[in-house]
Formats: sequence, C-alpha cells, structure tokens
Amino acid sequence: EAQVTQNPRYLITVTGKKLTVTCSQNMNHEYMSWYRQDPGLGLRQIYYSMNVEVTDKGDVPEGYKVSRKEKRNFPLILESPSPNQTSLYFCASSFRGNRNIQYFGAGTRLSVL
Amino acid sequence: TQLLEQSPQFLSIQEGENLTVYCNSSSVFSSLQWYRQEPGEGPVLLVTVVTGGEVKKLKRLTFQFGDARKDSSLHITAAQPGDTGLYLCAGRPPSNAGKSTFGDGTTLTVKP
Repeated sequence: EAQVTQNPRYLITVTGKKLTVTCSQNMNHEYMSWYRQDPGLGLRQIYYSMNVEVTDKGDVPEGYKVSRKEKRNFPLILESPSPNQTSLYFCASSFRGNRNIQYFGAGTRLSVL
Repeated sequence: TQLLEQSPQFLSIQEGENLTVYCNSSSVFSSLQWYRQEPGEGPVLLVTVVTGGEVKKLKRLTFQFGDARKDSSLHITAAQPGDTGLYLCAGRPPSNAGKSTFGDGTTLTVKP
C-alpha cells in the first residue's frame, strides 16, 4: 500500500531535549515536505526537499533541521525544542512529474513542556 | 511569502443547503489545490486546478480557478453530513516547485 509513515504519532517532551520525528514514503517520490499545523493558521511549510541531498527552507524553518540522505526518508530534527514548537506536524511527499498531488502522513502531535 | 486567505473560517449549515468557500491571494500561483482533512488524519487531495478560468467538478463539488490564477472557489451543492470536515486550499508559486502555501482552512459542519 502506497503511504507516508510518520513516527511517533504522539510525543510529549521537555524543553531542550533533542528529538527526531521520522518520515518514510514507499512511493519513490522525489519531493518531500514537513508542515506544522496550528489552530487558525492552516499548514505552514517548515522545510522541503526536491531530491536526495537537496533541502531548502520553507516559511517557518527556525528551530528545525532536516536531512535527506535517502530518497524514502526525510526526518525532522528539533535540536532544542521549545514550548512554541508544540504543534501537529505532517510529512508529505509527491512525485516530481505531478508535484501538485501531495500525499500526507497521519501526523505527529508534539507537546513540549 | 505568498499568502492565501480563506473565507469563511467556519461554516455551519443544514443538510441540503449549498455553500461556497473562497481562497484569495494577491499573488499568482502556478496551480491551486483543494484538500479535505478529517480529525486525526492528514489532508487528502480533492482537486488541482492549473489553468486560469478552469472549472472542475467532483460529484457535488465544483472548483474554479480565477482567470488571473490568484484565487479559487469551492462550491458544494446539496451538502450532506458526510461533507463535514476541514477544507484547505494550497498553492504553488510559479518560481519554486518545492514551496507550497496553505490557506488557514474552512471548518464545515453539515447538520442532518
């Protein structure tokens, strides 16, 4: 089954404790993105990648890092999480030939205390 | 940053009524997408519009892209409780294939 898998689905952590949210897709898609969703603000793009070893900042990259060492994986790294990073996070992927069709993971709900 | 403004933010209607959701910007987009999101799930693509003036229909849903490719609308005819959800528009700028901007969303509730 074609899918985007995020882990974990739920995470509660404390300020400053490094964490990684994993994202994996099995569709051989070139494009991958991370978004955060906050009430009343829709989805905001954090980082995106157009291929292996190619990443770029979205609209809200501060406090986040990403890497794209393999085509299927696009982890989101929070080196020193802060309470304002409490949010719902989504990973998405799309095929370069039809980049308008984004497939989303089920989301990771993060709480930073 | 290109912005997309969606309206209304909340909409509560009775089953059988019609409704329109708007997505507006001052910027040109190479394409606009409409997604629907259920609680606890990621957004699911409904449609993509690419050409200015384009109209697409998906059963009772009609999507339109503005002639200048700066705005779009979603019209639902005879809404049903199953249409309840969060509707999001999203656009890609002409200059950057990787970037994607989302509207704030419209929460639709259709009461039986």
